[in-house]
Amino acid sequence: AAGVIQSPRHLIKEKRETATLKCYPIPRHDTVYWYQQGPGQDPQFLISFYEKMQSDKGSIPDRFSAQQFSDYHSELNMSSLELGDSALYFCASSLGKTGRTGELFFGEGSRLTVL
Amino acid sequence: QKEVEQNSGPLSVPEGAIASLNCTYSDRGSQSFFWYRQYSGKSPELIMSIYSNGDKEDGRFTAQLNKASQYVSLLIRDSQPSDSATYLCAVMNSNYQLIWGAGTKLIIKP
Repeated sequence: AAGVIQSPRHLIKEKRETATLKCYPIPRHDTVYWYQQGPGQDPQFLISFYEKMQSDKGSIPDRFSAQQFSDYHSELNMSSLELGDSALYFCASSLGKTGRTGELFFGEGSRLTVL
Repeated sequence: QKEVEQNSGPLSVPEGAIASLNCTYSDRGSQSFFWYRQYSGKSPELIMSIYSNGDKEDGRFTAQLNKASQYVSLLIRDSQPSDSATYLCAVMNSNYQLIWGAGTKLIIKP
């Protein structure tokens, strides 16, 4: 069965550079979530999209932005990178009439290292 | 006080025993409750969801929900070394936000 696809899997950037992460949700899933997870921490919710519209916003820095495209894939854009942005970034998708379901399917994550 | 609380552990359980993981939440209007398993460096994986009071069994896993006491637990019977992971409790609160606990690290000792 198709799963959530994230790319790239690993990314190394310098401070103040820009990075873009991509996420392809499970086909027919209508909601996409982005999470950031630092070492030993629980996943921190960044932002979500339901049917291509932003549905909820968490602790996403102003330097970050995200969008969901017409084919339902999503991109997380991170600018002016800081050392503290080094983390695993997970994308997850779910299926729900209202987009309000906690049954999330996660991608394998993108590991961002900022030097 | 965090909205969803879990003991961080580690919780050490002998192989073959029952592992009991607990989670409490503060929003009394929460309706949906989830347990995710996360191996080190991997993504979280949904293992149980529970929506009504009582027990829900799936193989070796049993989720228990008590809305009056605002806790949800996960029991793992016949624990195996492969069950060693961090278990994350997630709660959909009354604002339809999915709130995560910090996770309990479970170690199954052979």
